Amino acid sequence: QKEVEQNSGPLSVPEGAIASLNCTYSDRGSQSFFWYRQYSGKSPELIMFIYSNGDKEDGRFTAQLNKASQYVSLLIRDSQPSDSATYLCAVKGGYQKVTFGIGTKLQVIP
Amino acid sequence: EPEVTQTPSHQVTQMGQEVILRCVPISNHLYFYWYRQILGQKVEFLVSFYNNEISEKSEIFDDQFSVERPDGSNFTLKIRSTKLEDSAMYFCASSVGGSINEQFFGPGTRLTVL
Repeated sequence: QKEVEQNSGPLSVPEGAIASLNCTYSDRGSQSFFWYRQYSGKSPELIMFIYSNGDKEDGRFTAQLNKASQYVSLLIRDSQPSDSATYLCAVKGGYQKVTFGIGTKLQVIP
Repeated sequence: EPEVTQTPSHQVTQMGQEVILRCVPISNHLYFYWYRQILGQKVEFLVSFYNNEISEKSEIFDDQFSVERPDGSNFTLKIRSTKLEDSAMYFCASSVGGSINEQFFGPGTRLTVL
C-alpha cells in the first residue's frame, strides 16, 4: 500500500513567520510531487509541484524534495492569515493515480 | 482562466438509487479523473480516463461505479445503487498529459445518501 504521511496539525504560526510543512512517502518509484491547498468545504487547489531533487521557489512558496529520504516539504514565507488552510501533499507514480496525505491544517495567527 | 466545472454542487439521494455526477474538464486537457473525499478523510483516487477508456482505477471503483464521456465536453461518474457509505465530496480533475502533468480539480459535488 503506497502511503503519504503528514502531521495533521494544527500548525500555528504568527503572521509574517515561515510555515514549514512536511510529508513523507513510501513508494520509491514516485515521480511527481504536489502541494495542494484546501480551504474548508472547497476543492484542492494546486499551489506547487516538484519533480527533481532540490528546491523550487514560486513567490512566497518553496517546495523541497529529497528522494533519497522520501521527503517533501513546503515552506511558506511571510505567512498571512489568508494562508490558513489545510495543505495536502500528493504523490504520483508512473501512472495517473495521485495519492494524497491527510493534510496539515495551518493556522496563521494575526 | 480555464477551470473544471461540476454539476450539481449538491445531490441528495435515497439509498439504492442511481446518481450521475457531471463534470466539464478544461478544454485542451486529455486526461480526466474522479476522486472522492469522505468528510474528515483523505482525498482518494477513484479512476482515470483517457482516449475514451479507463486507464487506471482503484479498489474503491467497483462494479457499482462507471464513467463515461458521452460527448466532446462532459465526463460523468455514475453510481448504480448508492449506499450510505458513498456519501462524500466527489471531485473531478483533468490534466494535459498523464505522466507527470499536474491535475486541476473542479469545485466538487457533495453527495448525500439517505
